[in-house]
Amino acid sequence: EDQVTQSPEALRLQEGESSSLNCSYTVSGLRGLFWYRQDPGKGPEFLFTLYSAGEEKEKERLKATLTKKESFLHITAPKPEDSATYLCAPGLTGNQFYFGTGTSLTVIP
Amino acid sequence: KAGVTQTPRYLIKTRGQQVTLSCSPISGHRSVSWYQQTPGQGLQFLFEYFSETQRNKGNFPGRFSGRQFSNSRSEMNVSTLELGDSALYLCASSFTERGEAFFGQGTRLTVV
Repeated sequence: EDQVTQSPEALRLQEGESSSLNCSYTVSGLRGLFWYRQDPGKGPEFLFTLYSAGEEKEKERLKATLTKKESFLHITAPKPEDSATYLCAPGLTGNQFYFGTGTSLTVIP
Repeated sequence: KAGVTQTPRYLIKTRGQQVTLSCSPISGHRSVSWYQQTPGQGLQFLFEYFSETQRNKGNFPGRFSGRQFSNSRSEMNVSTLELGDSALYLCASSFTERGEAFFGQGTRLTVV
């Protein structure tokens, strides 16, 4: 059975305090691992796609990494504007995504 | 370049009614997928359309249906609304099968 688990469910960080979010998954027909950011009341915003173990991608203060069964989203020196829910989504056949329930990140000034 | 547009943004319906939601994808994108988002279940896949054909379907009852037109615009319909159908309905479009999906702002449906 397909399964995606994100941890922690919620995370509070002081501005500048680095941390990592975890996504572990078991899915069949995986075509890529996607990370999205979602602000309250808005649709998810695409961040990264990772296709193979060992791959890394960076964007500003965020870096995503991928192993065979896990992905990590590292946040370096976060700012308050990084506060959002971060969603991990294994991509399945076609354009179907299996979303995790997300990590709610709050960065305190 | 215009993003994914969903209309309406907000809807209030009564139990037993039906509702139609609309999605205009990014120009050139032929794949449109729909998701239901609730606080308890997160984002759940409803269905995906590509070139007017339903390609994948999630685990939702037959009351949930959709279609895609020749210009790639898509609609989803929910019949015989139940209180549990209250949710944020999100549409996403993609250019290729392996690419990322771009989401609209969603339609907030409240069933009373």
